[in-house]
Amino acid sequence: AQSVTQLGSHVSVSEGALVLLRCNYSSSVPPYLFWYVQYPNQGLQLLLKYTTGATLVKGINGFEAEFKKSETSFHLTKPSAHMSDAAEYFCAVRGDKFYFGSGTKLNVKP
Amino acid sequence: EAGVAQSPRYKIIEKRQSVAFWCNPISGHATLYWYQQILGQGPKLLIQFQNNGVVDDSQLPKDRFSAERLKGVDSTLKIQPAKLEDSAVYLCASSTDSPNQPQHFGDGTRLSIL
Repeated sequence: AQSVTQLGSHVSVSEGALVLLRCNYSSSVPPYLFWYVQYPNQGLQLLLKYTTGATLVKGINGFEAEFKKSETSFHLTKPSAHMSDAAEYFCAVRGDKFYFGSGTKLNVKP
Repeated sequence: EAGVAQSPRYKIIEKRQSVAFWCNPISGHATLYWYQQILGQGPKLLIQFQNNGVVDDSQLPKDRFSAERLKGVDSTLKIQPAKLEDSAVYLCASSTDSPNQPQHFGDGTRLSIL
């Protein structure tokens, strides 16, 4: 069975600083990996996905993630945080079904 | 393309009452999911439909929750009777059958039980 672990339920960065949200997965088959963002009172919105091919994946709003098979990781990064990035972020893996991490709430300080 | 539509957006009921949520998935999406998201947690899958058949309902509390997807399009999720611990956001999502495709989510229904 697959599972997803997100390290750090809360991350706080200053505006303009690097954003790094961590995601590790376990999967017995090549995984399909996703990052979603959830703003207050909204559903989950797809940020980016990895299926096959290039291991560095670019998404919306300047986010990107790198699939590292040897580390079973799919960390999400953004070079420079913006106030509008404050939200909750979920990592997910799709194997036999979808598995979501417990989420990381990102706070951006002015 | 139109997104996943859910209604109502908010619902407040008293415990032991019943409530129903409605979801219209993206056109052409064969798979439909209902999730429960308790405050501060990730989404928990309640039930997954493939067309109008149930694929996974292992985490659905069947003594009080029921769901149907007639004609393989719209779906309703019902709770009867509601308990205090059912206070949560109920998210509907849909996807194609392709394993490398993501789910698309609606904005959810926020349920408060008094």
